[in-house]
Amino acid sequence: GDSVTQTEGPVTVSESESLIINCTYSATSIAYPNLFWYVRYPGEGLQLLLKVITAGQKGSSRGFEATYNKETTSFHLQKASVQESDSAVYYCALGSNTGNYKYVFGAGTRLKVIA
Amino acid sequence: NAGVIQTPRHKVTGKGQEATLWCEPISGHSAVFWYRQTIVQGLEFLTYFRNQAPIDDSGMPKERFSAQMPNQSHSTLKIQSTQPQDSAVYLCASSWTGGVYEQYFGPGTRLTVL
Repeated sequence: GDSVTQTEGPVTVSESESLIINCTYSATSIAYPNLFWYVRYPGEGLQLLLKVITAGQKGSSRGFEATYNKETTSFHLQKASVQESDSAVYYCALGSNTGNYKYVFGAGTRLKVIA
Repeated sequence: NAGVIQTPRHKVTGKGQEATLWCEPISGHSAVFWYRQTIVQGLEFLTYFRNQAPIDDSGMPKERFSAQMPNQSHSTLKIQSTQPQDSAVYLCASSWTGGVYEQYFGPGTRLTVL
């Protein structure tokens, strides 16, 4: 079946350091995968961070970026310099461009940024 | 735009009681999704409507769970004879029709079954 595997948390990073949260997917029933990163900040709801719907393209938002790599079936989230305000839970999600639009989520990665 | 609205935010039921969860999607969105989040299973898909019609309920437990979308402005998730293992956060999301469009999530309903 379709699945998403991401870096197991919690991940603790010092402020201004770089970050990478790995995400790999398996899209056995999805012909044209779309990939998303969602984030849940403390006390808030799940919100979209970035999305990429075309293989080979890069998405970016709030200093984060992720590249959709069809060859390695990966969509890793990166940031060059994290801030305390980036502390949150990050979810990688797999969707379809056609037919059934439901998401398959990764388990989530809790990030803590320390000063 | 108020976003996706879910009510109640918290619900506590006794074992064997019924629970009804409500979702109001963003106006104009034609797709509505229900997910469930637990510590053990994470975020898992339950069911999906498009233009009020049920499209996929493959994630719904076969017994006791049902979902409806009687009009474009709300959807309900009903759990009959609730069990402790039904305790979870139930999330509703809506989107425009089409996979290129992201889903917008509501704040969730935290269901606790005692």
